[in-house]
Amino acid sequence: GQQVMQIPQYQHVQEGEDFTTYCNSSTTLSNIQWYKQRPGGHPVFLIQLVKSGEVKKQKRLTFQFGEAKKNSSLHITATQTTDVGTYFCAGSNNDMRFGAGTRLTVKP
Amino acid sequence: NAGVTQTPKFQVLKTGQSMTLQCAQDMNHEYMSWYRQDPGMGLRLIHYSVGAGITDQGEVPNGYNVSRSTTEDFPLRLLSAAPSQTSVYFCASRTGSANYGYTFGSGTRLTVV
Repeated sequence: GQQVMQIPQYQHVQEGEDFTTYCNSSTTLSNIQWYKQRPGGHPVFLIQLVKSGEVKKQKRLTFQFGEAKKNSSLHITATQTTDVGTYFCAGSNNDMRFGAGTRLTVKP
Repeated sequence: NAGVTQTPKFQVLKTGQSMTLQCAQDMNHEYMSWYRQDPGMGLRLIHYSVGAGITDQGEVPNGYNVSRSTTEDFPLRLLSAAPSQTSVYFCASRTGSANYGYTFGSGTRLTVV
């Protein structure tokens, strides 16, 4: 069945540094979604990518969907302490399968 | 508009006991799903539903049952609790329209002793 793999598992950065997490699927996806989960909280939807090669930006966050629709990335420019949390990608065909997440910590 | 409501927030069960985790949404969402979250393993799909009367299995369905008799409710039943089912359980829902993500409930933290 569909599997979504995400790397790295952990990332610790100094405030102001950039951060990237990568997501790879074993199958072609109809779309990919990204979520953020703050410590002790629940996942919160960030964005959905649908088109091959699509790039979307939300302030300091840049999301990309690969040409083959099997991989995606989330890049944060100049991290802030408010970016702390775990970032999940989720690939969708009919059901929604999540990657294991990348846990981001930011040192002030 | 309460969103996705999960009850209870915390539960301790003894091995072999059964219970139902409740999930209700008031957004008229067609899609609803149950996930469990364990450290280092992300969110794993247990069961999902694309509409009232329709359910399907996810990645880890064993030991769990679901039903979807109404659009609003999607309860998750643990038939005979085992320590391996100790986890945080999230219910989520979304509209059937293409460009919307899931809205998650605040979760149920379940411990099986």
